[in-house]
Order: sequence, then structure tokens, then C-alpha cells
Amino acid sequence: DSGVTQTPKHLITATGQRVTLRCSPRSGDLSVYWYQQSLDQGLQFLIQYYNGEERAKGNILERFSAQQFPDLHSELNLSSLELGDSALYFCASSVETRDTQYFGPGTRLTVL
Amino acid sequence: EDKVVQSPLSLVVHEGDTVTLNCSYEVTNFRSLLWYKQEKKAPTFLFMLTSSGIEKKSGRLSSILDKKELFSILNITATQTGDSAVYLCAASSNTGKLIFGQGTTLQVKP
Repeated sequence: DSGVTQTPKHLITATGQRVTLRCSPRSGDLSVYWYQQSLDQGLQFLIQYYNGEERAKGNILERFSAQQFPDLHSELNLSSLELGDSALYFCASSVETRDTQYFGPGTRLTVL
Repeated sequence: EDKVVQSPLSLVVHEGDTVTLNCSYEVTNFRSLLWYKQEKKAPTFLFMLTSSGIEKKSGRLSSILDKKELFSILNITATQTGDSAVYLCAASSNTGKLIFGQGTTLQVKP
């Protein structure tokens, strides 16, 4: 158990819908990262927050957005969902930006 | 474009064998190289390497980084069936984001 929690574990929804994934970092960690893992693309970096501010962006779609709240938990919002958005979404956290990242258990999103 | 390439993509060995997994990288503003093990759930951290030529060890696993040739290897000695997993290599940049390789799927047969 890494200490990073994610909810929900599984999510099944329909195309066109909007979902919110939640992540609580390890106690003391200021940095939160979101990754998408699909069969064909592997693990891809989406976005990073540090102490409430966006720090880096990867190949995140415009339909996706994220934020980190004052209590340091983070949410990833996915809208206008498409079949291709079906994937495992991982959150990771680290103390500072350059420290080891520890991964949460992931949220498996299925878009039907 | 930043990239990380792992080889081989898959490997089947028998218990007791020694395996070497390879990882090469081309990453702008490279900071460190990380290895993770993934067993159908979240990646679990194995090693972080920042200095060239210094081996890190944890039990039967060891890893080393060559920053001149831009590669790293992960060695597993006396493999066990519990070592069966996907091994992920990732390079971090100064911003902290991780660029992952495709992973090496290791199967250890009894």
C-alpha cells in the first residue's frame, strides 16, 4: 500500500458523459501527478500539480481537466467521453517535484 | 521528442535463472531513472537512479545507470515465480513528469 488513495476503483459510463476521478496523496506529499494507462499507449503522463498550482502538462486532451485543492487532494475531470478514453487512470504523489513518485491503485474507466 | 525504450518486451525464464532488463532513454532535462514493478495493479517503486555507475541493490534485484550512454539495466538473480510482472522503466525530467517505456513482461516458470 503506497498511501495514495483513489476513488472510485471502477467506473462504467456511456459516451458523451462526464466523470470525476479523485485522488488523495500520501500524507506530506505536495505534488500530484495523473497518468493514463491504455493497452496500446502504455503509461502516459497527463498533468502535474504542486501545492495547488499546475506545474506541468503532458498530452492531456482539452476535454480533460484537473485541479488540486487546498487540502492537496486532486480531481481529474473527463468530459464528452469517448470509447477511446477507456483506460486505467493512475494518480501518483511525491514530496517535492523531483522525488520518487508513489502510485495509487488506479481507477478503471470503461466507456460504453 | 522524449522517449524511453525497453527491451526485451517479453521474457520467459525458469525459476533460478538470472535476467537482465534493458532501458534506453532520450529525455530533455533528464533528472533520474526509475524502475517500477507492475502486477495487474499500481506500479510499485523499485529503484531511483540519479548518478552514473553506482549500483543500487535490494535483495535479488539490482540496477545501474549509465548517463553517458543513456541506458539503465535491471538485474534479477535467482528468479522466483513471484517475480512475474511487468517491469517499467521511467525517466524523469526536471519538471518531475515521468516518461515511461513500454514495459518488459517477465514470466517466471516453476
